[in-house]
Amino acid sequence: AQRVTQPEKLLSVFKGAPVELKCNYSYSGSPELFWYVQYSRQRLQLLLRHISRESIKGFTADLNKGETSFHLKKPFAQEEDSAMYYCALGAGSYQLTFGKGTKLSVIP
Amino acid sequence: DTAVSQTPKYLVTQMGNDKSIKCEQNLGHDTMYWYKQDSKKFLKIMFSYNNKELIINETVPNRFSPKSPDKAHLNLHINSLELGDSAVYFCASSPWTGSGNTIYFGEGSWLTVV
Repeated sequence: AQRVTQPEKLLSVFKGAPVELKCNYSYSGSPELFWYVQYSRQRLQLLLRHISRESIKGFTADLNKGETSFHLKKPFAQEEDSAMYYCALGAGSYQLTFGKGTKLSVIP
Repeated sequence: DTAVSQTPKYLVTQMGNDKSIKCEQNLGHDTMYWYKQDSKKFLKIMFSYNNKELIINETVPNRFSPKSPDKAHLNLHINSLELGDSAVYFCASSPWTGSGNTIYFGEGSWLTVV
């Protein structure tokens, strides 16, 4: 069975500090990994997916199959980055499996 | 606007009532979903429909009944509401069924059962 673990429920960083939101997954096959973001009382939206290898809003995430991780990183946090972040795994099934989410709080 | 839209956005109701949440997408997607986000912000799939056909039905009480009149609509009806049903319900859609698919979410419907 597939599983996504986000070990931190809450992460607080100062503005301008680096951010790393951790995500580990469990799946024996070839995974598809995503990061979704939910700003306060707004809809959940796709932030990035590992296939695209893109950088959105300064965030990047690299799939590390050896460590089964897909950590989300940003070198310099901004106040507007404060939100809930969900790591999600698409694993050959019909739906995404979401982690429990990490609340990022950027302190001015 | 092309989007996934759901109504109502806020719903406060008493235990035992029956309520519906409507969802529509104008993205031309084949697949629609209902997700539940509980008080701990944990997001879990409830149902998935592909072209009006039910393809995922997770362990959800049968008080919850989805209805898809066409592939652009997926409504959620809840009978005999309980306190534990209080949550945010997200409708979503994707172009097709399967992994590697970007899912587009509605804004959520905040349900409070009192």
